Amino acid sequence: GENVEQHPSTLSVQEGDSAVIKCTYSDSASNYFPWYKQELGKRPQLIIDIRSNVGEKKDQRIAVTLNKTAKHFSLHITETQPEDSAVYFCAASKGGGSQGNLIFGKGTKLSVKP
Amino acid sequence: SAVISQKPSRDICQRGTSLTIQCQVDSQVTMMFWYRQQPGQSLTLIATANQGSEATYESGFVIDKFPISRPNLTFSTLTVSNMSPEDSSIYLCSVVGGGSYNEQFFGPGTRLTVL
Repeated sequence: GENVEQHPSTLSVQEGDSAVIKCTYSDSASNYFPWYKQELGKRPQLIIDIRSNVGEKKDQRIAVTLNKTAKHFSLHITETQPEDSAVYFCAASKGGGSQGNLIFGKGTKLSVKP
Repeated sequence: SAVISQKPSRDICQRGTSLTIQCQVDSQVTMMFWYRQQPGQSLTLIATANQGSEATYESGFVIDKFPISRPNLTFSTLTVSNMSPEDSSIYLCSVVGGGSYNEQFFGPGTRLTVL
């Protein structure tokens, strides 16, 4: 089955710097890659996603890139702010129909220092 | 996105007892899932709750331990049976949003502590 590896497990940056989190997946049939942000004591919130027919997607300070050949995808956060501090999870799925279940990476704890 | 609620939000239970968690969605959804998040860990899929048929369980999870019901397109329950301290976790339901390719949204979770 699918296996998702996520690195780093912890990341500390200075406010205003960029942060990059990387994930690799094993199943070449996976075609949907969401990123979730989870603040302490709260539910995971979908922040951005990318599908296999797209190489890059951007939403304000957040961008995700996908390399299907290498089977890896990355989250980029620019101009980080203290409120970006949270645990970020990547995930992968085959998408659609009955195969919508997500396989998650182990998470990255991002700390943004003011 | 769909509005998802879970009951209870938290509970403290004794070893050997069972707890049923409810998940309610404000609109009809095709796909509903149950996840477990152990303290400080990632999310692990328990099962897909299928409307009108038996749930589909992931490796390592069995129906006797985690029976699931899905009587309609807006509601599901997960029961944690014969609990032990190792079952202490946050249990989350999720749904695939209507009209979306595969976007999943999570309920607020149920924090379970087993003594």
